[in-house]
Amino acid sequence: GENVEQHPSTLSVQEGDSAVIKCTYSDSASNYFPWYKQELGKGPQLIIDIRSNVGEKKDQRIAVTLNKTAKHFSLHITETQPEDSAVYFCAASSIDSWGKLQFGAGTQVVVTP
Amino acid sequence: EAQVTQNPRYLITVTGKKLTVTCSQNMNHEYMSWYRQDPGLGLRQIYYSMNVEVTDKGDVPEGYKVSRKEKRNFPLILESPSPNQTSLYFCASSSADDNQPQHFGDGTRLSIL
Repeated sequence: GENVEQHPSTLSVQEGDSAVIKCTYSDSASNYFPWYKQELGKGPQLIIDIRSNVGEKKDQRIAVTLNKTAKHFSLHITETQPEDSAVYFCAASSIDSWGKLQFGAGTQVVVTP
Repeated sequence: EAQVTQNPRYLITVTGKKLTVTCSQNMNHEYMSWYRQDPGLGLRQIYYSMNVEVTDKGDVPEGYKVSRKEKRNFPLILESPSPNQTSLYFCASSSADDNQPQHFGDGTRLSIL
């Protein structure tokens, strides 16, 4: 089955700097890669996703890149703000296992003013 | 408002006392799923359901049961809870369209003494 590894487990950045979180996956059949943000006391919320036919996707300060050959994808947050502090999860799934998301272990991001 | 609602949000109980965590969604989603979240392990899938009366095991199904008698509801049942089931539980739902994003509830924190 799919295995998703996520690094780093914690990330501390100065406000205004960029943050990068990296994930690798094992199943070459995976074709959908969402990123979720989880704030304290809340469920994960989708912030951006990418499908295997696209190499990069951007939404304001957030971008995701995908390298299918190397089986890794990354989340980039530019101009970080205190409200970006949260736990971020990457995930992967394939069309053969529709809806069966495999999550990474999560990254605690702390943005210091 | 589109949402996934879990109840209860918090529960402290004792070993062996049957409990049910309810999950309801108002988005007419076909797919529903239960996850547990433990520190350092991310979210692990317990059970999922592709539609009414269709359920299947996820990665960590032992000690849990589910049912899907109605499209909007997907209760999680712990017949004989044990301390190792102390965890944060999330219900999620999504459309049957290819790899549509999953919407999560706000979680249920279970403590089994």
